[in-house]
Amino acid sequence: DTGVSQDPRHKITKRGQNVTFRCDPISEHNRLYWYRQTLGQGPEFLTYFQNEAQLEKSRLLSDRFSAERPKGSFSTLEIQRTEQGDSAMYLCASSLDTHGYTFGSGTRLTVV
Amino acid sequence: KQEVTQIPAALSVPEGENLVLNCSFTDSAIYNLQWFRQDPGKGLTSLLLIQSSQREQTSGRLNASLDKSSGRSTLYIAASQPGDSATYLCAVKDGAQGKLIFGQGTELSVKP
Repeated sequence: DTGVSQDPRHKITKRGQNVTFRCDPISEHNRLYWYRQTLGQGPEFLTYFQNEAQLEKSRLLSDRFSAERPKGSFSTLEIQRTEQGDSAMYLCASSLDTHGYTFGSGTRLTVV
Repeated sequence: KQEVTQIPAALSVPEGENLVLNCSFTDSAIYNLQWFRQDPGKGLTSLLLIQSSQREQTSGRLNASLDKSSGRSTLYIAASQPGDSATYLCAVKDGAQGKLIFGQGTELSVKP
């Protein structure tokens, strides 16, 4: 297992288009988290899953955002009708129960 | 509401110097605290994890301390090297089920 994988690494999209990101956590980790990071800021929590259940969503996660984790394995984060303010680095992390987090390399989204 | 602050926002030091990065948090009822390193445009790499019952953790040239009662943590880097140049992020976890809450980071530059 090589850690948390995120795909794609970079995504440039036109405003109004839909985008989907994928995260593959460490296989034995039951928890999966999505964070968003803008330039010069620390990551901000978006949502997290324990197995396949989405247990918490931030108010940052507007109706245009949806996340899934079918079968408690990989997760997808979809943004509909993208806006320029959605431009950021989207980070995925996983953990086993209450242990420390392992982050992926992130997906950098640019909305033009 | 938990808030995490890191001081200074940026730091430039000559190679070989010992340095301290500071992190403070407003609610002392944390589950654990984690220090991360982030290289430009990359994801986060975990450096040290301190459980709430611990006072410090060490890994190589890095030492992190935790004082829950005063809401502070410090990351000590001994004999700094140019390869240590990166942004260092502090994050606290509110409760076993909680999410990580990040500071804004300290951008470190070590000059040869």
